[in-house]
Amino acid sequence: AQSVTQPDIHITVSEGASLELRCNYSYGATPYLFWYVQSPGQGLQLLLKYFSGDTLVQGIKGFEAEFKRSQSSFNLRKPSVHWSDAAEYFCAVGMMDSSYKLIFGSGTRLLVRP
Amino acid sequence: GAGVSQTPSNKVTEKGKYVELRCDPISGHTALYWYRQSLGQGPEFLIYFQGTGAADDSGLPNDRFFAVRPEGSVSTLKIQRTERGDSAVYLCASRPEHTDTQYFGPGTRLTVL
Repeated sequence: AQSVTQPDIHITVSEGASLELRCNYSYGATPYLFWYVQSPGQGLQLLLKYFSGDTLVQGIKGFEAEFKRSQSSFNLRKPSVHWSDAAEYFCAVGMMDSSYKLIFGSGTRLLVRP
Repeated sequence: GAGVSQTPSNKVTEKGKYVELRCDPISGHTALYWYRQSLGQGPEFLIYFQGTGAADDSGLPNDRFFAVRPEGSVSTLKIQRTERGDSAVYLCASRPEHTDTQYFGPGTRLTVL
């Protein structure tokens, strides 16, 4: 069965420090992979996505993610975190049938120290 | 342009009551999804519409949950005989045809007392 694991429930980083949020997936083929961000009271916003091609994908707000097939991972990175990045981050697998429905991980809450 | 809108933003009801949650997708988006997000969890898929028809309702937890999209635009999620365990944020998303990206609404927070 398809699944997504985000092993870190909370992560705290200092403003200006680098960030990596982990995501592992289980899927029978090369998946569609997404990272979404959810700020309090806001809807889910797409940060970036991967379908094929270059395994390093760039997204909005300075985020990037790298697809590693051998590790079944799609970790999210940012070289320098801003206080406004504090939010909940969700990794998701998109079904490659015609539905494109998403299977989400349980999320990682990012806290930013001033 | 306008994004996905959901009404109401908050709904408080009593156990056993019936509720309806509404989703207005982005104009022209043919696909529409409902997800449920319980506290501390990621969103869970409930149902997917392509046009007016429910193409995949495999995520609906039981027959108390039902959703419609009669004209291929606005959708209503209906929950009968609500239970305290139904308390969650219900998210709606829409997607244009022939693309892969879903656009999410702000959600409806349902509280069942």
